[in-house]
Amino acid sequence: DVKVTQSSRYLVKRTGEKVFLECVQDMDHENMFWYRQDPGLGLRLIYFSYDVKMKEKGDIPEGYSVSREKKERFSLILESASTNQTSMYLCASTTGAGTDTQYFGPGTRLTVL
Amino acid sequence: RKEVEQDPGPFNVPEGATVAFNCTYSNSASQSFFWYRQDCRKEPKLLMSVYSSGNEDGRFTAQLNRASQYISLLIRDSKLSDSATYLCVVNIFSGNTPLVFGKGTRLSVIA
Repeated sequence: DVKVTQSSRYLVKRTGEKVFLECVQDMDHENMFWYRQDPGLGLRLIYFSYDVKMKEKGDIPEGYSVSREKKERFSLILESASTNQTSMYLCASTTGAGTDTQYFGPGTRLTVL
Repeated sequence: RKEVEQDPGPFNVPEGATVAFNCTYSNSASQSFFWYRQDCRKEPKLLMSVYSSGNEDGRFTAQLNRASQYISLLIRDSKLSDSATYLCVVNIFSGNTPLVFGKGTRLSVIA
């Protein structure tokens, strides 16, 4: 059974803290993605990766960075968390063919105080 | 200019009703089309792909109109369990490009 897992379901951090969100997939997928989802704004792509050690900016990369040291793991980093980064963060993976299903993790609801 | 547009709803319909959602996309070069379903506080999951000839999966029918650049999803005999947000999704190019998600249409099926 396909599985994408995220390190935390709920996370509360303080402004200025460094935050790591981890995502692991067990499907040997090449492509991995990080989104944030906010009411009225839908899913917005932050960063994505097509291969190990490779990353591409999405639509809203400011304030975020990513790391992909292993194929199965894609980390999202908030260098200095701010209140406007309070959101639901969703990780996803897919094989790479344009018609393939994109599988999402359960999401991490991050609150920055 | 929004790449994928959907009516946000909510659509409130009684059980047994037929409901249709439309979605328009701006890039005529778009290659692949999908409907995803997202339950409250859950992650999106693929509902069905949309093919040029139209396709059906049980009570769900998806259609694509390339000339007018819109996709539709028809749900017949609505069930309470159909209550969710339905996301229209487009892949602009084939291969390794991110999907473009609409903001979703919320459906509530009422007993």
